Amino acid sequence: ETGVTQTPRHLVMGMTNKKSLKCEQHLGHNAMYWYKQSAKKPLELMFVYNFKEQTENNSVPSRFSPECPNSSHLFLHLHTLQPEDSALYLCASSPVTSGGALNEQFFGPGTRLTVL
Amino acid sequence: QKEVEQNSGPLSVPEGAIASLNCTYSDRGSQSFFWYRQYSGKSPELIMSIYSNGDKEDGRFTAQLNKASQYVSLLIRDSQPSDSATYLCAVNMISFSGSARQLTFGSGTQLTVLP
Repeated sequence: ETGVTQTPRHLVMGMTNKKSLKCEQHLGHNAMYWYKQSAKKPLELMFVYNFKEQTENNSVPSRFSPECPNSSHLFLHLHTLQPEDSALYLCASSPVTSGGALNEQFFGPGTRLTVL
Repeated sequence: QKEVEQNSGPLSVPEGAIASLNCTYSDRGSQSFFWYRQYSGKSPELIMSIYSNGDKEDGRFTAQLNKASQYVSLLIRDSQPSDSATYLCAVNMISFSGSARQLTFGSGTQLTVLP
């Protein structure tokens, strides 16, 4: 596997279900990100992990719970979601994040989530 | 609220023409600028990065940056139908929490290259 991988690629869940999205990066990067992309809206940054530490939580509802066990893996745990949470969820990684100038991010293929 | 603005389009150009995509941003302290291409149903793919004022060329793509005007653009020369996609401008800006700089994305410009 190369680059950034995400599983599953498609997920349909009910509002009472609990599911998890998985992301793995094979680029040796130190930072990982979750984004939400809804139709007709810009990419929304949800969470940032830098060296396994969460550095950003962009006012995301608690029904989304991230987990970063190491620099290569990132999870997004989902529970009691709403239909408006249906979107493409993208994972990305970058070599460094901080106050530095370089923040080139590489994206995984995404998980298309539908909440019924 | 820090913002990145793009014309949503759609922008249509004939095959072989130059496509010009524009982006403005609100954070004067931004230092890193990126263009991503996103095909329908796919994830964004990085195609250009630029950090200094002026032009940067890579094949058929040229990124232009003017920090004084807070403006970044992407030119695609000899446009091909395969260039039809949504182009996202991303700028390294102060984050929501104010603690660091993160990428902020524009809403994208949809480009169609007509054969």
